[in-house]
Amino acid sequence: AQSVAQPEDQVNVAEGNPLTVKCTYSVSGNPYLFWYVQYPNRGLQFLLKYITGDNLVKGSYGFEAEFNKSQTSFHLKKPSALVSDSALYFCAVRVSYNFNKFYFGSGTKLNVKP
Amino acid sequence: EAGVTQFPSHSVIEKGQTVTLRCDPISGHDNLYWYRRVMGKEIKFLLHFVKESKQDESGMPNNRFLAERTGGTYSTLKVQPAELEDSGVYFCASSYGTSGRQETQYFGPGTRLLVL
Repeated sequence: AQSVAQPEDQVNVAEGNPLTVKCTYSVSGNPYLFWYVQYPNRGLQFLLKYITGDNLVKGSYGFEAEFNKSQTSFHLKKPSALVSDSALYFCAVRVSYNFNKFYFGSGTKLNVKP
Repeated sequence: EAGVTQFPSHSVIEKGQTVTLRCDPISGHDNLYWYRRVMGKEIKFLLHFVKESKQDESGMPNNRFLAERTGGTYSTLKVQPAELEDSGVYFCASSYGTSGRQETQYFGPGTRLLVL
């Protein structure tokens, strides 16, 4: 069965510090990996994706994520957090043969404090 | 360009009643998806339309849920009769295609359903 794990329900970081939101996955087949962000009362917004190529993917708002095949991870990172980054972050995976069905993690709430 | 829109934003109904959720995808997107997030858990896939046809409905929980996309434009998701465990946030998403750059799914704001 395909699954995505976000081991931290919440991540707290001070503004200006680097942040990491963790994601690991378990799939049969080649994974396509995505990060989405949900701000309060808003829909999920696409941040970035890994399909193939460079393991380090850069996305919107200064976020990046690194695909690590051996550790089956796709952690989201940002060098310097902003208070406005506070939101709910979801990792998702799709397997190459399964059309476009996404499997999501349970979400990680990021709190950036001034 | 307008994003994915959903109506209503919130719905509170009693157990046994019927509720219909609506999703308008991004114009030109043939692919439409429904997902559900129940009480802080993961977002789960419900089904996938390609135009008016159901491509994958493996995530539909039971026959109380009926999704339609007549004409291949907007979609409705009807829950009849609603049960307490149906409470959650129902998300709709759309994509232009299903491969390469076209596979990114764009999500609506969700409908928050509470069944009492």
